[in-house]
Amino acid sequence: SAVISQKPSRDICQRGTSLTIQCQVDSQVTMMFWYRQQPGQSLTLIATANQGSEATYESGFVIDKFPISRPNLTFSTLTVSNMSPEDSSIYLCRAGHTEAFFGQGTRLTVV
Amino acid sequence: QKEVEQNSGPLSVPEGAIASLNCTYSDRGSQSFFWYRQYSGKSPELIMFIYSNGDKEDGRFTAQLNKASQYVSLLIRDSQPSDSATYLCAVDYGGSQGNLIFGKGTKLSVKP
Repeated sequence: SAVISQKPSRDICQRGTSLTIQCQVDSQVTMMFWYRQQPGQSLTLIATANQGSEATYESGFVIDKFPISRPNLTFSTLTVSNMSPEDSSIYLCRAGHTEAFFGQGTRLTVV
Repeated sequence: QKEVEQNSGPLSVPEGAIASLNCTYSDRGSQSFFWYRQYSGKSPELIMFIYSNGDKEDGRFTAQLNKASQYVSLLIRDSQPSDSATYLCAVDYGGSQGNLIFGKGTKLSVKP
């Protein structure tokens, strides 16, 4: 099973700023996925990141707000841009297809 | 629209009992099914996945899949207070992206 290291684990940010979340996988994976989990809710997919190509965004999520990088098969970043309190959430990365493991999550609070 | 439905609970069972968690899904094209456990403030932890109709057992956990009824369940035998968590059902609809659609989760409480 893949080990996924995600950081930061939590952050408190000012509105209007940006935060970049990193996910490092200990083995090469084709796909990485970024999710948001708002308080008391289930997971919503933001985008799918494939190495060497642009990320594919789900309805309601746009690249300008959530730019994603996938420079190699073990690493990805998600940036939450121009943050507002509504962006306060837990952000999770997932790697792997059949095994589908998650990183530890980033708890973001925007004030 | 592809959907995954779970009873939000809370489901309360006494310690040592069998907890039964259910999940239905909308698309017959679904290929694989996952159960996650999520403790408050933590990320989801994969418990089991199942691809084929029937039962799959792993320790105290049994996943059951019935594709004809579009139904997947998770049984937890000899429930322990440490099993108290939210259980998420996730379905892979078989698209090229490997995306999982998640249910909203069932909150399980195991009473000592």
